[in-house]
Amino acid sequence: SQQGEEDPQALSIQEGENATMNCSYKTSINNLQWYRQNSGRGLVHLILIRSNEREKHSGRLRVTLDTSKKSSSLLITASRAADTASYFCATGLDNYGQNFVFGPGTRLSVLP
Amino acid sequence: DAGVTQSPTHLIKTRGQQVTLRCSPKSGHDTVSWYQQALGQGPQFIFQYYEEEERQRGNFPDRFSGHQFPNYSSELNVNALLLGDSALYLCASSRITGVRAEAFFGQGTRLTVV
Repeated sequence: SQQGEEDPQALSIQEGENATMNCSYKTSINNLQWYRQNSGRGLVHLILIRSNEREKHSGRLRVTLDTSKKSSSLLITASRAADTASYFCATGLDNYGQNFVFGPGTRLSVLP
Repeated sequence: DAGVTQSPTHLIKTRGQQVTLRCSPKSGHDTVSWYQQALGQGPQFIFQYYEEEERQRGNFPDRFSGHQFPNYSSELNVNALLLGDSALYLCASSRITGVRAEAFFGQGTRLTVV
């Protein structure tokens, strides 16, 4: 079955630096979405990228998608302490966006 | 505009008991999915409800059941609780007929089975 798997599992950077997280998956997808989770609370939707898109931006976030390599990356520029959280990618098979497969996530720590 | 709301926030149950968790989807959304997230892991898909029917199901036993009401809200029921059912249960909603497929999550219900 398809699987989103983030890399690295943990990342620690200084405030102001950029953070890059990667996601790999196994099967064809319709879309891929990135979520943030603070301290075991609910997931916050960050960005959706469709399979026919290669790059999307949203504020300090930049997401790329390479369907040939079945991989995606999330770049957070000029990181802040408030960005400290776990980040998950979720792959969607169809346009209805429900049956996601999540990886274990990347735990990002941004040090002041 | 209220987002996805879940209740209760926290719950402690004894092994063997039954539990019901509730979810109200974001306004305008008609599809609800439930996920289980164990500590330190990513969420695992339990099932999805649309038009009051279970449409998709993940790899969870029949002890996990659900329901969707005409107002699109949903319940997750777990029978014969096991210690391993302790987790954060997340509800996600989206609009199945929508062009955009974002799913929005609630804050979750933390279930502890003792």
